[in-house]
Amino acid sequence: DVVMTQSPLSLPVTLGQPASISCRSSLSLGTYFSWFHQRPGQSPRRLIYDVSERDSGVPDRFSGSGSGTDFTLKISRVEAEDVGVYYCMQGTHWPWTFGQGTKVEIK
Amino acid sequence: EVQLVESGGGLVQPGGSLRLSCAASEFIFRTYWMYWARQAPGKGLEWVAKINEDGTDKYYVDSVKGRFTISRDNGKNSLYLQMNSLRVEDTAVYYCARSGGVVWGQGTLVTVSS
Repeated sequence: DVVMTQSPLSLPVTLGQPASISCRSSLSLGTYFSWFHQRPGQSPRRLIYDVSERDSGVPDRFSGSGSGTDFTLKISRVEAEDVGVYYCMQGTHWPWTFGQGTKVEIK
Repeated sequence: EVQLVESGGGLVQPGGSLRLSCAASEFIFRTYWMYWARQAPGKGLEWVAKINEDGTDKYYVDSVKGRFTISRDNGKNSLYLQMNSLRVEDTAVYYCARSGGVVWGQGTLVTVSS
């Protein structure tokens, strides 16, 4: 299976400041790469698909980039509602696989 | 509003069986691949199975092959997961999802314990 490795696993952030999460794949991927956000007790929500496309209703402070084996999610200015766990996911090779998750919390 | 609602979770002993259901509404169910994913308590996400639009193609993660069966009834707008020979490590919240995770249900908890 394709292994997805996220860093950091914990990310304390200051409100209004930028944040960045990296994801590395054990195999080169096509464009089927997504980012998800999950708040405690809630279902995951997809934020980004096809590496850099924002899902409907996702604020433009979220952006995705990358190619091959290295991908990045950036939040330009963190807001309180952005806390939770962020997961990267590859949808190129079945079984699709997620990263371990990055927990974002406010300092 | 597009909606997925799971049901059928509960407490089962190791070796037992459960059948999960997912009721879909407000979209043309028969035109979408559908998926089951799970999340063990305090852990990350894992895709378990997927099924194509007419139910003729099915794929599973290795850990559930031969034990779980995904199926669908397009006439009832419903997705199913038959889980047999359950193990303690199958304990998780099970989610149904549409088209790569753009829509998720609220999840149903399956606990395998003696």
